[in-house]
Amino acid sequence: DAGVIQSPRHEVTEMGQEVTLRCKPISGHDYLFWYRQTMMRGLELLIYFNNNVPIDDSGMPEDRFSAKMPNASFSTLKIQPSEPRDSAVYFCASSPSLSGNTIYFGEGSWLTVV
Amino acid sequence: GDSVTQMEGPVTLSEEAFLTINCTYTATGYPSLFWYVQYPGEGLQLLLKATKADDKGSNKGFEATYRKETTSFHLEKGSVQVSDSAVYFCALRLGTYKYIFGTGTRLKVLA
Repeated sequence: DAGVIQSPRHEVTEMGQEVTLRCKPISGHDYLFWYRQTMMRGLELLIYFNNNVPIDDSGMPEDRFSAKMPNASFSTLKIQPSEPRDSAVYFCASSPSLSGNTIYFGEGSWLTVV
Repeated sequence: GDSVTQMEGPVTLSEEAFLTINCTYTATGYPSLFWYVQYPGEGLQLLLKATKADDKGSNKGFEATYRKETTSFHLEKGSVQVSDSAVYFCALRLGTYKYIFGTGTRLKVLA
């Protein structure tokens, strides 16, 4: 059973460049989450989707961040323009639709903005 | 607001020592509680969970009891191994899908 798949695993980019992170949730999971992990702030929920529709994006830090889910098997998190303070590990996670289920995390995308 | 507080790490123990990682929470309503573990270079994996007061979650020798009266969900293991070295996250879930994570506690077990 394939888990949540994220790409790229590692990205180093220059300040001002656009960054796109990708996620393929577990098949059949109706919920998809994007989290950001930093040493200072720990694990923060950025946004989550239900059936491809964004439900809560209150954690998205600012307009430079955007997320889309064009279909049930793919989501992107885009940062444009990127800044050094965006350096973090970005996790995608997914969950089945039934209440009581847990969420399953991908291995993360390690972003460094220089 | 709703939050999870974990003891600061790192926690360094010798193999076979007893482990406790404290976790307390603040929440409106009746959250479900979780412990996740993150091994180096990997994502978070569910370790155990409890969905109501007095429930005990257990897995791989770890256990935690949902204590509503003290709003706590402390993680314990009787005898740690080097392979348990990882970062441990306490989390709560409000409603259906809003998860709030603690900042994580790094555990290092020495042979």
